[in-house]
Amino acid sequence: EVQLLESGGGLVQPGGSLRLSCAASGFTFNRHAMSWVRQAPGKGLEWVSSISDSGGATYYADSVKGRFTISRDNSKNTLNVQMNSLRAEDTAIYYCARDWNYGGPLYYFDDWGQGIQVTVSS
Amino acid sequence: DIQMTQSPSSLAASVGDRVTITCRASRVFNTWLAWYQQKPEKAPRSLIYDASKLESGVPSRFSGSASGTEFTLTISSLQPEDFATYYCQQYGSFPPTFGGGTKVEIK
Repeated sequence: EVQLLESGGGLVQPGGSLRLSCAASGFTFNRHAMSWVRQAPGKGLEWVSSISDSGGATYYADSVKGRFTISRDNSKNTLNVQMNSLRAEDTAIYYCARDWNYGGPLYYFDDWGQGIQVTVSS
Repeated sequence: DIQMTQSPSSLAASVGDRVTITCRASRVFNTWLAWYQQKPEKAPRSLIYDASKLESGVPSRFSGSASGTEFTLTISSLQPEDFATYYCQQYGSFPPTFGGGTKVEIK
């Protein structure tokens, strides 16, 4: 059974930083691209960032480019995102999601973590 | 970016009803479209990919279709566990984009 467990969320002031992690199990982690998708309070889903299976290629939404950095540690089956220069509009539940594809991301998400709350507020 | 417009934004239906949700793309792309179901306080669950292919374990009352820029999710006979919000998402063009969601409520 695929399991994705996010951690690292919380309350941070505008301009601050936060690092989210996602521990993966139940599948061959180093064969799948992985992504982060977020959901602002009462809003819909927004793709944030993706990373290829090897970590050699990364992709970002314009709204986070230059502020967020996605990474992965295939030896620890862990996906990360370093979030800097956080803004109020980054407040959301952040989901770790497995890409259906092997290799590079196809951006179809066939398994999701339970999500973790990030709140940016003074 | 491709904009995905879902309609209706909400609907009220009864158990046993046939429900249809539409997602219209701002321009043509391939049929790389997914549908997700999200229940309150829960993560999204993938239902359909490639516009019409059912994910493993998804009941056969769910189906998807495509015609040009219009994509449809149909629930043939609504069950109590189907009351949720449904999102479409295109992954045929970068960046991937989601529709605004359709909330299916009990009449």
